[in-house]
Amino acid sequence: DGGITQSPKYLFRKEGQNVTLSCEQNLNHDAMYWYRQDPGQGLRLIYYSQIVNDFQKGDIAEGYSVSREKKESFPLTVTSAQKNPTAFYLCASSIVEGIGQPQHFGDGTRLSIL
Amino acid sequence: AQTVTQSQPEMSVQEAETVTLSCTYDTSESDYYLFWYKQPPSRQMILVIRQEAYKQQNATENRFSVNFQKAAKSFSLKISDSQLGDAAMYFCAYRRGGGGADGLTFGKGTHLIIQP
Repeated sequence: DGGITQSPKYLFRKEGQNVTLSCEQNLNHDAMYWYRQDPGQGLRLIYYSQIVNDFQKGDIAEGYSVSREKKESFPLTVTSAQKNPTAFYLCASSIVEGIGQPQHFGDGTRLSIL
Repeated sequence: AQTVTQSQPEMSVQEAETVTLSCTYDTSESDYYLFWYKQPPSRQMILVIRQEAYKQQNATENRFSVNFQKAAKSFSLKISDSQLGDAAMYFCAYRRGGGGADGLTFGKGTHLIIQP
């Protein structure tokens, strides 16, 4: 079945450490997105990418980095510069052709600080 | 910047009854799209319904329908014949018009409780 796979499901970070969250999709979607969700909050956009080797900052990109070397993959690195990384992270993808295409989401990764 | 407001942090409804979740948004654009997503305890985001701003007709998906009032910038979700499986967080989301990739702007969500 086609879908979006995020790994790991749970991740722990030590002080000063960078960690990378994986997102893989086999839906053949061109666009991919990363969102952060805090308790009692909606999702906020971190980064998005419409095409391989190109990506754009979202509303809360500081302290995060991404790469898009393959169409299927869009990993998110939470750097030590992100002082409050504890959150639930969701990856999404969508087709680009047409208009107003909905985004499809993975199951998420919960990141906590040790 | 666009904003999306869900004024009801929590709603409760009896099973088989109808419930309406509210959403308002602020934008200066005339072309955009609106979505309702459901997030059950599993935390996965599931698309419930979508509305194109240029369409006057309200979208409907089985027991789910919207009341889209463009002039009032209101986009409420009506769930008919509520079922226990409808219990979840519901998020209203906005996307600017046009093609290409663009992120969604979400409201803070409404927690829907279904009373058996």
